[in-house]
Amino acid sequence: SQKIEQNSEALNIQEGKTATLTCNYTNYSPAYLQWYRQDPGRGPVFLLLIRENEKEKRKERLKVTFDTTLKQSLFHITASQPADSATYLCALDQAGTALIFGKGTTLSVSS
Amino acid sequence: ETGVTQTPRHLVMGMTNKKSLKCEQHLGHNAMYWYKQSAKKPLELMFVYNFKEQTENNSVPSRFSPECPNSSHLFLHLHTLQPEDSALYLCASSQDRSGGGNEQFFGPGTRLTVL
Repeated sequence: SQKIEQNSEALNIQEGKTATLTCNYTNYSPAYLQWYRQDPGRGPVFLLLIRENEKEKRKERLKVTFDTTLKQSLFHITASQPADSATYLCALDQAGTALIFGKGTTLSVSS
Repeated sequence: ETGVTQTPRHLVMGMTNKKSLKCEQHLGHNAMYWYKQSAKKPLELMFVYNFKEQTENNSVPSRFSPECPNSSHLFLHLHTLQPEDSALYLCASSQDRSGGGNEQFFGPGTRLTVL
């Protein structure tokens, strides 16, 4: 069966550390993978998109990797800050079909 | 206004009421979406419109009825809802549906409570 899983429901880390969030999938063949941030009571906000032929993508303190052999994407936030606390959603993007979202991982960064 | 707006932000309705949710995007996009977000569940796609034509209906009960009069506006008409329909309803838009690789822009959502 088809599944998309984000490693944990909640992740707690200390300010300044690197947060690593995982997105695994089975029986999908996404051409792209997208990451979104969602704050409580608000809509998701797009962060990064990575193509299947890209190994890594960076944007400021954010880094995403995409391994189509392992069927996994890792999302890193370096030098994390309390303002990074939010829920992060991964979404599989199979060209021509709708995005398939994971349940999300809620990150809490404590000072 | 810029981005994607949704009204109302909060809605409480009885099971026999009829109400409508409105979404407007000011981004010049051609595709618009309705999602349902319930606690502890992933975003559930409900409907997709591309160039004003409905391209997907994910087995949504008929008590939810979408309408897309033009590429900038999307409505979700609600009728005879059930308490389990209480959720955050999100509207989103993207450049179009073809080709993939299109980021989606979400509105703030309507928090719906059905009594």
